[in-house]
Amino acid sequence: KAGVTQTPRYLIKTRGQQVTLSCSPISGHRSVSWYQQTPGQGLQFLFEYFSETQRNKGNFPGRFSGRQFSNSRSEMNVSTLELGDSALYLCASSLKGDTEAFFGQGTRLTVV
Amino acid sequence: AQRVTQPEKLLSVFKGAPVELKCNYSYSGSPELFWYVQYSRQRLQLLLRHISRESIKGFTADLNKGETSFHLKKPFAQEEDSAMYYCALSRGNKLVFGAGTILRVKS
Repeated sequence: KAGVTQTPRYLIKTRGQQVTLSCSPISGHRSVSWYQQTPGQGLQFLFEYFSETQRNKGNFPGRFSGRQFSNSRSEMNVSTLELGDSALYLCASSLKGDTEAFFGQGTRLTVV
Repeated sequence: AQRVTQPEKLLSVFKGAPVELKCNYSYSGSPELFWYVQYSRQRLQLLLRHISRESIKGFTADLNKGETSFHLKKPFAQEEDSAMYYCALSRGNKLVFGAGTILRVKS
């Protein structure tokens, strides 16, 4: 079966702009989590959605938001981009959120 | 607060040598711990979870609650084991990751 798919793979944005990243989970998985990966901070949890509801949120500013659709696909949005938002954004899906998480290839965001 | 510590950024060993990647955690409760691996140009993938107590690709990890450790071990390293390894702790529906350790296996 198809794995977790993230689009786009690469993005370059300017400071102040906003960006939307997309994640399609493995078929049948209802939990989608987002992580930010940077050389300095490593992998940090952003938020988790299950059945269109945000169940958990990490310690990120309100500029970072997300949503999940009825088909379990998820999007995350970052508004008013800052240089420090440059990172690899990873999406992971699992059946219920407390089982094995499968990761996507990530979206590499560069803010200039 | 939950925290996962991987003290080594880089571990370099020769092929055939034993490997031990260290992981310590802090968690008030019964932790669920994992090892994830990321090979070059590949996505992050699950290697081991402590509750399954299985050996994958020759790797094993034992949860030591007294020492709050979950070290990853392999008796004989192979070149294809070269990768980034992350120890992670599950807190409900989120994973808390360590900083990761790069394993380099030299021929």
